[in-house]
Amino acid sequence: DQQVKQNSPSLSVQEGRISILNCDYTNSMFDYFLWYKKYPAEGPTFLISISSIKDKNEDGRFTVFLNKSAKHLSLHIVPSQPGDSAVYFCAAHTTSGTYKYIFGTGTRLKVLA
Amino acid sequence: NAGVMQNPRHLVRRRGQEARLRCSPMKGHSHVYWYRQLPEEGLKFMVYLQKENIIDESGMPKERFSAEFPKEGPSILRIQQVVRGDSAAYFCASSPMGGTEAFFGQGTRLTVV
Repeated sequence: DQQVKQNSPSLSVQEGRISILNCDYTNSMFDYFLWYKKYPAEGPTFLISISSIKDKNEDGRFTVFLNKSAKHLSLHIVPSQPGDSAVYFCAAHTTSGTYKYIFGTGTRLKVLA
Repeated sequence: NAGVMQNPRHLVRRRGQEARLRCSPMKGHSHVYWYRQLPEEGLKFMVYLQKENIIDESGMPKERFSAEFPKEGPSILRIQQVVRGDSAAYFCASSPMGGTEAFFGQGTRLTVV
């Protein structure tokens, strides 16, 4: 039962353009969402988060959008840089539960120079 | 402020041996999470602990796997009688409280031969 889904296993984007990574969830109890970036042989690195009381959160080149009615969130990276090439995971949890984070399967982003 | 420390980084065990994976959370963090990543797959939740308490172990296999987070010392994930299917990267994360961003360690790559 995959409660958090990232349906695009990979994405290629030209340097300087926008990267949009998508994530869907099924559990309406989720109320906090996070994005992590992961390089090979390293642990995931926290990027940005959003609470369900918001629909947008921005941090530098990274913006996360949340559409609660569609149970969908997206991460926008603009402008994309070659160093952004990594696997991106979205994660979610419910503050009414045990706070365990449920992760999607990841999207591999490749930014082409 | 040191990050989440996991050791060893690489661990090789023969089938039937025991594997012990250690995780020292960030200073001030009392919540620890363990995840497993199989090759080409996402991060699967295993267990969530607070000091001296297991809060949620719903992702942990019922047999051979155990976890603890004692009052003093690191959190330990223990796998008894390892089998080839246990080969994976095991990541630990910590957070200062439930419901906030979790920070990951570099992981322990377990290989069962």
